[in-house]
Amino acid sequence: ETGVTQTPRHLVMGMTNKKSLKCEQHLGHNAMYWYKQSAKKPLELMFVYNFKEQTENNSVPSRFSPECPNSSHLFLHLHTLQPEDSALYLCASSQEGGWVAFFGQGTRLTVV
Amino acid sequence: RKEVEQDPGPFNVPEGATVAFNCTYSNSASQSFFWYRQDCRKEPKLLMSVYSSGNEDGRFTAQLNRASQYISLLIRDSKLSDSATYLCVVLTSGTYKYIFGTGTRLKVLA
Repeated sequence: ETGVTQTPRHLVMGMTNKKSLKCEQHLGHNAMYWYKQSAKKPLELMFVYNFKEQTENNSVPSRFSPECPNSSHLFLHLHTLQPEDSALYLCASSQEGGWVAFFGQGTRLTVV
Repeated sequence: RKEVEQDPGPFNVPEGATVAFNCTYSNSASQSFFWYRQDCRKEPKLLMSVYSSGNEDGRFTAQLNRASQYISLLIRDSKLSDSATYLCVVLTSGTYKYIFGTGTRLKVLA
């Protein structure tokens, strides 16, 4: 299923690097999300965009910077990350709030 | 209290067994409920939405109890391929905040 596509699938970065995660959805949805999944923890909602406007920022540190240029694309810009930021970062989209959310395959990030 | 709580398991059951998971939620304004399945190192995928009247999809039955604020998932005739983590997801009306439980791990044994 390629409804929501994330790149890269795997990323290793140093604490001083700057990198970006990309998400693209081909489902015609209006809302897009970033989630973080760490070991032994539930998925944590990071950001929500609805019609390109950010509607949720779940107290995420500023070293994570989202960008949503249009309803089909979502980026997560990363800089000066910490080792504890190593996790699976999942992008999702939905038609509206209350509808089913579909997930991308995730980017497995390792900060060294 | 966590917004969405699940027993992490693992639930180890033999093939053919019936197994049930519960999930409790704290926000009484929650309006939409889902069960997702997540395989190891993969993304979550929708298993089924949960409707007020309860719903069934093959071997899977989901129910909602608003009074007690929990949802349940029943799996009948378990298959080896059912081994996965089952995530309870709750959404509050008027928001886009899908809140996930930690998941319940199921292992179906041959």
